[in-house]
Amino acid sequence: GNSVTQMEGPVTLSEEAFLTINCTYTATGYPSLFWYVQYPGEGLQLLLKATKADDKGSNKGFEATYRKETTSFHLEKGSVQVSDSAVYFCALPPKTGANNLFFGTGTRLTVIP
Amino acid sequence: EPEVTQTPSHQVTQMGQEVILRCVPISNHLYFYWYRQILGQKVEFLVSFYNNEISEKSEIFDDQFSVERPDGSNFTLKIRSTKLEDSAMYFCASSENRNSAEEQYFGPGTRLTVT
Repeated sequence: GNSVTQMEGPVTLSEEAFLTINCTYTATGYPSLFWYVQYPGEGLQLLLKATKADDKGSNKGFEATYRKETTSFHLEKGSVQVSDSAVYFCALPPKTGANNLFFGTGTRLTVIP
Repeated sequence: EPEVTQTPSHQVTQMGQEVILRCVPISNHLYFYWYRQILGQKVEFLVSFYNNEISEKSEIFDDQFSVERPDGSNFTLKIRSTKLEDSAMYFCASSENRNSAEEQYFGPGTRLTVT
């Protein structure tokens, strides 16, 4: 089935630093790809998604581009804030036609002032 | 903004007991899910539910588990004869339709501790 491999954490950055969290996928075809975020004490929230190859998803200053050449969907942000401290999960459907999600291991980001 | 709610936020139970975790999905959503996250590990799919029946389930979702939509608003996960390894955060989610690109809305989770 489809799967994602996510960059190990934790990641600690200073405020205004550039963020990259790596995610690579293995899939049959080109399934939708997602980034979810989990803020402390809260559930998972969709951060952004891309539904086909070469799409770029963006939200709240975060971006990720669906790259079929490198089978990647890396999450980037140009200038992180303390409020971005959270756990970030890359995800995709585990097989064609499934509407449940297979999540990566999650990357904990801590942004310090 | 509509949201998925879950109760209780934390449940402590003794090994061998039965627990019921409750969820209220977003009102116009038709597809419901349970996931779990063992502490420090990744989020794992348990089961999806549509039209009053299970549509998909993972190998984790064995006979110990069951789901039900007892009325028009609640969606429950029952765990019979709990084991220590059932200790985890359990997340309920819902989505409006079955499109694999559809966003799933997650609740805040129920932390289950089995002692």
